[in-house]
Amino acid sequence: SQKIEQNSEALNIQEGKTATLTCNYTNYSPAYLQWYRQDPGRGPVFLLLIRENEKEKRKERLKVTFDTTLKQSLFHITASQPADSATYLCAPTGTYKYIFGTGTRLKVLA
Amino acid sequence: SQTIHQWPATLVQPVGSPLSLECTVEGTSNPNLYWYRQAAGRGLQLLFYSVGIGQISSEVPQNLSASRPQDRQFILSSKKLLLSDSGFYLCAWSVQGIPEAFFGQGTRLTVV
Repeated sequence: SQKIEQNSEALNIQEGKTATLTCNYTNYSPAYLQWYRQDPGRGPVFLLLIRENEKEKRKERLKVTFDTTLKQSLFHITASQPADSATYLCAPTGTYKYIFGTGTRLKVLA
Repeated sequence: SQTIHQWPATLVQPVGSPLSLECTVEGTSNPNLYWYRQAAGRGLQLLFYSVGIGQISSEVPQNLSASRPQDRQFILSSKKLLLSDSGFYLCAWSVQGIPEAFFGQGTRLTVV
């Protein structure tokens, strides 16, 4: 069955540093890899996606890579800020069935 | 613009009572609709998804059911709630051909 793995432990980093989050998946060949942000008590919010034929995608301070051979995506937040503290979810996506990873909780320390 | 409405925001229900959560989407036609549940400190669990009126796919066998009586309305129901049904329920929608999903504000359900 499809399996999605994200760092289960919280990630604490100092303000200004680059945060790197990992998403690994198995038994699946997604056409896209999506990343969402979720704040406590709120629904996830879409951040960006990368297609299977793309290696890297950038949006402001965010960068996503997608390695379909390794079945892995890396999500980077550069020049991190305390406001970036949240849980980040990945979703390898094929058609319309959206399965999310368990998420990685990021805390940026001032 | 498109919006999604989900209510109520919080709900406290006794064990064995029925449940009905409603979600409606505005500003788009024929959306894909989803119900997720998130237990405290856990990830999103896909419960049901629908690609059209009357078309419901169930991901997890349980005492919950879903219906889509209208194009932009998705309802989650239970005849008898269990303690294990407590959690944060989220409705979401997407459009055919566009991967991005949009979530409602969620319903915090506590079964006592």
